This record gives sequence, C-alpha cells and structure tokens, in this order.
Amino acid sequence: DAKTTQPPSMDCAEGRAANLPCNHSTISGNEYVYWYRQIHSQGPQYIIHGLKNNETNEMASLIITEDRKSSTLILPHATLRDTAVYYCIVRSGNQFYFGTGTSLTVIP
Amino acid sequence: EADIYQTPRYLVIGTGKKITLECSQTMGHDKMYWYQQDPGMELHLIHYSYGVNSTEKGDLSSESTVSRIRTEHFPLTLESARPSHTSQYLCASSEFSGSNQPQHFGDGTRLSIL
Repeated sequence: DAKTTQPPSMDCAEGRAANLPCNHSTISGNEYVYWYRQIHSQGPQYIIHGLKNNETNEMASLIITEDRKSSTLILPHATLRDTAVYYCIVRSGNQFYFGTGTSLTVIP
Repeated sequence: EADIYQTPRYLVIGTGKKITLECSQTMGHDKMYWYQQDPGMELHLIHYSYGVNSTEKGDLSSESTVSRIRTEHFPLTLESARPSHTSQYLCASSEFSGSNQPQHFGDGTRLSIL
C-alpha cells in the first residue's frame, strides 16, 4: 500500500503562501494524491486531488513532481482560518489511509 | 459543497446501552464509509458500502454493525456500548463512478461511554 510522509507541524505568517510537502515514494501509476484538512472537532474537508499534472482550484494548488514521489500543497495567501491539520493521502483500493498529517499554524 | 449529515453531534451514555449513529447524504452517492478517530490520531476505516444492501468491514476491527437499506442512509449501531467505544465517529460518501472520486465527510459524532 502506498503511504505518505508529512512533517508533523509547520508555521506560516498570515498573508504568505503556505507550502505543505508530502512524500509518497511508493505510489503506483494509477493512484491519485488527495489533500484534506481537519479543523478541531470537525470532519475532514476535501481540498484538492491530482494524478500527474498540477492542479488548482479556489482553495489551493497541488504540485506533483514528475516522478510522482512527492507533492506540495500550496495555500497562496494563508489566513488564520487555514490553521488546521492537513492530510496528504494516497488512495489504496477502496480505502483512504489518513496518517497523522501536518499541523499548520497561521501566525498573525 | 458536500451535503452529509451526522446525528447526534455529541452523545454521552452509560455502559450497556444500544446506540445508533445516524448518517445521511443528499448527493445520491453510492459509496459510504464509517471511520473512527481518537483525539490527535489518524482515521481508521471500520465499515464501508458500495450501495444498497452492500456492507463491508474495514481495516479496524469494530464491534459495531452497519446497514444500507436506502442509498442516502448509512446508520452505525453498537448493540451494547462499552467505555472502549469512546471515540469520534466520522461518516463519508463518494460517487461510485470513476476510481478517483474524493470522499466527503460529515462533522462526526463524538461518543462518550461512561
């Protein structure tokens, strides 16, 4: 099963870009990379997902390396409301394996 | 925006009681899931369903059961609650078509067994 590795915590200044890295070196060719975030006491919120190409939506951008062994989630202008735990997930079969994620703190 | 609802949000109840956690979605999604999450820990899949009358067990052994009689409804039942069942339970759903569809989560039920 493809699993992911993320730093346990990061800080980012309000208004600056937050770049959250993820390693998924065992990813297979047809597995997508998903990003979710979870704010305390709420369910995980879907952010973005991708296979090979970089993706962008209203929330974030996803940059996937050419060898697909790592990716970066970019929040272009972080706000205090972006403080949350961010999960990078590689789906395996029917299951999404959530690790312990990266706790992002946006600092005023 | 995903429309998936879980009730109750919080439940404190005594040992031995039968509990049903409700989960409903209005998106017509075929796939539904139940996860268990302890504070600060990762999510663990306990049950999932591909559609009506389909239920499967996930990775984490659980004493709970599920049913899927209607597409929109996926309740989870504990026949006799114990303190070890204290946790947060999260429900999710996704479209069946395509293997890359993301899961959308409810806000969870935080369960405390005394």
